[in-house]
Amino acid sequence: DTEVTQTPKHLVMGMTNKKSLKCEQHMGHRAMYWYKQKAKKPPELMFVYSYEKLSINESVPSRFSPECPNSSLLNLHLHALQPEDSALYLCASSQAGENTEAFFGQGTRLTVV
Amino acid sequence: LAKTTQPISMDSYEGQEVNITCSHNNIATNDYITWYQQFPSQGPRFIIQGYKTKVTNEVASLFIPADRKSSTLSLPRVSLSDTAVYYCLVGPFSGGYNKLIFGAGTRLAVHP
Repeated sequence: DTEVTQTPKHLVMGMTNKKSLKCEQHMGHRAMYWYKQKAKKPPELMFVYSYEKLSINESVPSRFSPECPNSSLLNLHLHALQPEDSALYLCASSQAGENTEAFFGQGTRLTVV
Repeated sequence: LAKTTQPISMDSYEGQEVNITCSHNNIATNDYITWYQQFPSQGPRFIIQGYKTKVTNEVASLFIPADRKSSTLSLPRVSLSDTAVYYCLVGPFSGGYNKLIFGAGTRLAVHP
């Protein structure tokens, strides 16, 4: 199984809503990532978890709250988002070692209204 | 992290070989060079990775000169399905994860 599964595939939420994005992998990877991608732009790194500990937070606003409950799951909790936060949110995972091949999920298309 | 520079876009025709060059003048000694491909509304997909000289796999080749200040991704005999954005990333292995920073990428269009 070389898949990273993200749910939901699409999400529309209001600016006062609270929602969560979920990412799951069963490849035994101990590094997991969240990226944000706007149309026709490259993915922007948001967070990196290594061995279930937050290793990188790229100065992301606190309305985005990551969580890594175990080695297979990664969540992104969303609260009080703005319309400019509408984007494709990508999750990725990689082995915690010499292999840098990262596997990406299909993403969650988020629209904030 | 080393900054990368790639052409913004390229055009090719089916059956041709395509070479996309990436410049990374301040690459560090322990940096590796990795290429990803991305189709619209999908996550990026790993293509190839190398440290020096030449690496080849079933889909592409990666050429890295001795000074490692640039690298070239070679796609043999492209087809319409190779139309995508190609990203060059440069970074080290460290701390149990890899800080994968994407540059602007090269938008490749393959024409019939």
